[in-house]
Amino acid sequence: QVQLVESGGGVVQPGGSLRLSCAASGFTFSSYGMHWVRQAPGKGLEWVAYIPYDGTNKHYADSVKGRFTISRDNSKNTLYLQMNSLRAEDTAVYYCAKLFESGGNYGMDVWGQGTTVTVSS
Amino acid sequence: EIVLTQSPGTLSLSPGERATLSCRASQSVSSNYLAWYQQKPGQAPRLLIYGASSRATGIPDRFSGSGSGTDFTLTISRLEPEDFAVYYCQQYGTSPTFGQGTKVEIK
Repeated sequence: QVQLVESGGGVVQPGGSLRLSCAASGFTFSSYGMHWVRQAPGKGLEWVAYIPYDGTNKHYADSVKGRFTISRDNSKNTLYLQMNSLRAEDTAVYYCAKLFESGGNYGMDVWGQGTTVTVSS
Repeated sequence: EIVLTQSPGTLSLSPGERATLSCRASQSVSSNYLAWYQQKPGQAPRLLIYGASSRATGIPDRFSGSGSGTDFTLTISRLEPEDFAVYYCQQYGTSPTFGQGTKVEIK
């Protein structure tokens, strides 16, 4: 079945780095754009980053621009999020999500279960 | 950045009642780019509605979306026990944004 499985979360000190992974299965990963979305404890959803199917034109939220890098390895069906210079406000559950497109309409139709990142000293 | 404001923050209703959730955008949003998601505690969000009014695969027809421009609505015609959750609207521009969510709770 179509599935996304995140990994790589954990506890890191402020200023530290972490790399998240998202393993995709059940669909042609190399054909779809992918997103990272996060959710701070008790808060709403915040879009973080997007990468097209071919890894070219990436987009980032202003809150992470210059600190986070989204990438993908289509040969491994895996999406990544490299997070540097982490701050307390980056503490959240991080979800990867698959781009949905139908007739010019857009959304995110497949989500992983999330991986938790805690930035704390 | 397009800001989405959802109202009310919390909706207290009984099973079988109708739920009407609002999403207002700070500037006009193409209907193609307006989606709704449902999230239950401890779970990932689930796509309900895309293109403002089209139901995603497997979504019951008691869920419907409408609206255009800056005002969008999600309606649940008759609440089932499994519908009590938090609902988010989203605009899918170059920088997607989500509303702050509406919690539908059991009265």
